[in-house]
Amino acid sequence: EVQLVESGGGLVQPGRSLKLSCAASGFTFSNYYMAWVRQAPKKGLEWVATISTSGSRTYYPDSVKGRFTISRDNAKSSLYLQMNSLKSEDTATYYCARHDRGSWIDYWGQGVMVTVSS
Amino acid sequence: DIQMTQSPASLSASLEEIVTITCQASQDIGNYLSWYQQKPGKSPQLLIHSATSLADGVPSRFSGSRSGTQYSLKINRLQVEDTGIYYCLQHYSAPYTFGAGTKLELK
Repeated sequence: EVQLVESGGGLVQPGRSLKLSCAASGFTFSNYYMAWVRQAPKKGLEWVATISTSGSRTYYPDSVKGRFTISRDNAKSSLYLQMNSLKSEDTATYYCARHDRGSWIDYWGQGVMVTVSS
Repeated sequence: DIQMTQSPASLSASLEEIVTITCQASQDIGNYLSWYQQKPGKSPQLLIHSATSLADGVPSRFSGSRSGTQYSLKINRLQVEDTGIYYCLQHYSAPYTFGAGTKLELK
């Protein structure tokens, strides 16, 4: 059974940093592109980042480019999101997600809440 | 960036009714379109991938279709458990973009 379990969320002040982690199990992690998707309270879904199987390629929307960094440790079956210079508009539930065949997202974690507020 | 215009924003339908939700892409995305259902307080669940392929374990009353750059999700014979918010996602090119969502309720 595919499982994606996020951790590391919480309350953080504007301008500070936070690092999210995602522990993957139930599949060969190193074979899959992985992603982070977020959802602000009562809002829709927003793609945040994608990383290739080896970690050599990463992709971001302009809203987080230069502030967020996605990374992975295939030996630990873990995905990470380093978030710097956080803004109030980054407040959201962050989902760890798996890309099937480097394409559509087929599995999602349960999500972790990040609140950026002073 | 590719824009995904999803409609309607909300929908109220009766049990057993046929429901259709659409997403219009701002440019050609081929079949790189998937559909998701999200229930309150839960993470999204994959329904359809590659525009028309039913995901594993998804009831056959769900189907996807494509006409040019317009994509549709159809639910035949709406059931109580089908209420929720539905999203489309284009994964043709980054930045990947979701539709704004359609909230489906029972009448």
